[in-house]
Amino acid sequence: RKEVEQDPGPFNVPEGATVAFNCTYSNSASQSFFWYRQDCRKEPKLLMSVYSSGNEDGRFTAQLNRASQYISLLIRDSKLSDSATYLCVVNNGGSQGNLIFGKGTKLSVKP
Amino acid sequence: GAVVSQHPSRVICKSGTSVKIECRSLDFQATTMFWYRQFPKQSLMLMATSNEGSKATYEQGVEKDKFLINHASLTLSTLTVTSAHPEDSSFYICSATGLGAGANVLTFGAGSRLTVL
Repeated sequence: RKEVEQDPGPFNVPEGATVAFNCTYSNSASQSFFWYRQDCRKEPKLLMSVYSSGNEDGRFTAQLNRASQYISLLIRDSKLSDSATYLCVVNNGGSQGNLIFGKGTKLSVKP
Repeated sequence: GAVVSQHPSRVICKSGTSVKIECRSLDFQATTMFWYRQFPKQSLMLMATSNEGSKATYEQGVEKDKFLINHASLTLSTLTVTSAHPEDSSFYICSATGLGAGANVLTFGAGSRLTVL
């Protein structure tokens, strides 16, 4: 089983749609969780951290279920600029850079 | 905020040559730098962790003699791909964390796309 698994997509949605991405991780001792965004041929950029109680940042809502080892990202009112690949990222402890990246879920928002 | 500059952004070289990629923290002291590699449609994979003034720690399966990492100052780390071959063609990205603006945050460079002919 891969350490971090995501549905690769692509998710093709119209502007204004709500879209949800899921991610599962295999290491029950994982300590911190993130969603990153990566545009084509660019470096990943932190979108948001994921907290146990769930957290929201504008149109983006992240949820964590430690019992199921499951993370989600919900995007409401999709914009064209949301088109990117969304990476589920897990830190299993140790150094801050010891991040395990999922392969990403590609989102394409159409007019 | 913390800024990391990576250079070159794109490099094409012949098989058998060596290529050096630089990663600089512009506005903070990077005590730790990380090097990643990403093949097309694959995950970003950590190659090595580099602490300033120390030898880099390589992840399993990464050849330390092929991927030479130097982190001699608090603002610069370099990755040298020695005797590059076509299978080394990939997107290489660095990240850094450290002191000041770089504390408690991981900042990525823009990446270097290496093509070995």
